[in-house]
Parts: sequence; structure tokens; C-alpha cells
Amino acid sequence: QKEVEQNSGPLSVPEGAIASLNCTYSDRGSQSFFWYRQYSGKSPELIMSIYSNGDKEDGRFTAQLNKASQYVSLLIRDSQPSDSATYLCAVNSRPGGGNKLTFGTGTQLKVEL
Amino acid sequence: NAGVTQTPKFQVLKTGQSMTLQCAQDMNHNSMYWYRQDPGMGLRLIYYSASEGTTDKGEVPNGYNVSRLNKREFSLRLESAAPSQTSVYFCASSGGTVAYEQYFGPGTRLTVT
Repeated sequence: QKEVEQNSGPLSVPEGAIASLNCTYSDRGSQSFFWYRQYSGKSPELIMSIYSNGDKEDGRFTAQLNKASQYVSLLIRDSQPSDSATYLCAVNSRPGGGNKLTFGTGTQLKVEL
Repeated sequence: NAGVTQTPKFQVLKTGQSMTLQCAQDMNHNSMYWYRQDPGMGLRLIYYSASEGTTDKGEVPNGYNVSRLNKREFSLRLESAAPSQTSVYFCASSGGTVAYEQYFGPGTRLTVT
């Protein structure tokens, strides 16, 4: 079982719709959770971090965390063509893991006109 | 404030050649990381340095060596390149206000023929 799992997609949504990206993780002791956006040919860019159960909103982005069910999700409201990218979920495990992150393989999002 | 910089951007090597990938950060971060990214495999940690003077193996260290030259610089060396090392290499750093948030450099695209 992979430590961090994401559906590879592509996830296609029409412009203006809500895009919902999901991620599950296996280590119940995981403490910190991150979403990165990666455009084709570019490096990952941190867009959201979340540390406690519930929702965290930042502009059009909302991160949701449910530690009991071991999943974290990213909602993108009013999706734009510029949101088309691969979204990587990353998890920091137990404190003994230091500052290391484990990444999922990413979900490709396509926002269509 | 350049963030994380990497050189070179592109490199082509013949099997058996050696090279060093350079990484520097100007964010005064303690921790630095080297990842490789291959299609379908996601980001995989090669080596990391939790603080100046320390280095540790990640998930895929074979065939690589690293040097934490000082707090700013972390280099990755391929002693005898193999076609299996064809990949995109990213350097990242962390240790700012939020310890686990990692920030990535622009990457090096390496081809080994």
C-alpha cells in the first residue's frame, strides 16, 4: 500500500465549477499536510498547508482534513483554465520522520472552457 | 530574494560520466532535500540534510552522494551516471516559520545516454 495515494486523473471540470481533489494517507500518526501545484515542466509550488481537522480557506482554495478517516482534500472554487496543472498531496509523518515529506503521485486537473 | 536556485537547468551525460548538481537557498533554512521525479513515480527523496553538517539517505540513494557545503548549499553528485538516472532533479529547503513547508528550486533535467 502506498503511503500517500491520489487518483492520477485527469480530472476534467468546466470553467467556473468546483474542482475536488482527494488524497488518502496510511500513517495514522501524520501531523502536517500540504498541497502543491505543479505546472507542466515546472517545479512544485506550495499552495496550501493544513494541520488540524476541519477546513482551511485561502482565496478560491479550501483544504479539508479528516484525520480519523485519513484523508485530505483540496477544493478549488470558480475553477479557471490557469488552474490546469498537476496537484500533489504531501504528508509529514511522525515527529521521528524529521522534516521529510512523502508525496503522492499527483492528480492532473484540466479546466475546460 | 531568489529562494532556491539550481544549476544547471539541463544536462546530457554519457553512461559512466560524473557530474555535480548544485543547489543554494537564501531563506536561512536549516533543512535541504534532493528529489527525483519520474513519470508515474512522483517525487522520491534521494538524500536530505536536516541541518548543516548532517546528511541522511532517503528513499532512493543508490548511485548518488551529497555534500552539505554550508547552510546555504547542498550538492548532489552522480559518480558514474547510468541511463536509469535520467530524470528531473529538484532541490528543496525547509525550516522557516513553518518547519515542514518545503520550497522547491526550478529543477535540473538530466538525460543519460
